[in-house]
Amino acid sequence: GAGVSQSPSNKVTEKGKDVELRCDPISGHTALYWYRQSLGQGLEFLIYFQGNSAPDKSGLPSDRFSAERTGGSVSTLTIQRTQQEDSAVYLCASSSGGGTLRGELFFGEGSRLTVL
Amino acid sequence: GENVGLHLPTLSVQEGDNSIINCAYSNSASDYFIWYKQESGKGPQFIIDIRSNMDKRQGQRVTVLLNKTVKHLSLQIAATQPGDSAVYFCWGYGNKLVFGAGTILRVKS
Repeated sequence: GAGVSQSPSNKVTEKGKDVELRCDPISGHTALYWYRQSLGQGLEFLIYFQGNSAPDKSGLPSDRFSAERTGGSVSTLTIQRTQQEDSAVYLCASSSGGGTLRGELFFGEGSRLTVL
Repeated sequence: GENVGLHLPTLSVQEGDNSIINCAYSNSASDYFIWYKQESGKGPQFIIDIRSNMDKRQGQRVTVLLNKTVKHLSLQIAATQPGDSAVYFCWGYGNKLVFGAGTILRVKS
């Protein structure tokens, strides 16, 4: 598509359930980022994929969080045994640059997760 | 990681006035910076970027200033309009992990 696509746009789940959030980046973009944004707060880095390199997972808050990127394109962020503090908007961004390259991040509209 | 979990500061300006939004960064290796604007319910959008070999860059109604000595970045918006109301974040590439905490800009008509 023309932009970064995320799904679902809204997800309400019960505490303890697992959720999967999907990101479809701009075609050809090698870099993909996941961020989390809690209400009224800044953007919190979660994970970064660049090409075929091992992802930078240093922002994942706990081992309940994982992400993968298949075929260098679509990425899935999985949260296991969700907790109420996981409630946030999860934003995905892609970029054509990485490493020594630079480039604008293009963001999706986000997936709003509410854990009851 | 160096995540910023602060509640965002607010800047209120009168329509037509100039706005200055500031950002400090900690990683001296950062060599490329971007300002993003995020309107309510939307993802962040690119406003303007600057490389570390520059200290100023101008766009349409916006200017970004970079002071590498004190690791400070600012965004100046000329003749602020109601449509400029949003949250503004800075992002440094060498510091790819973290956005600046962000500033809420409110424009009063």
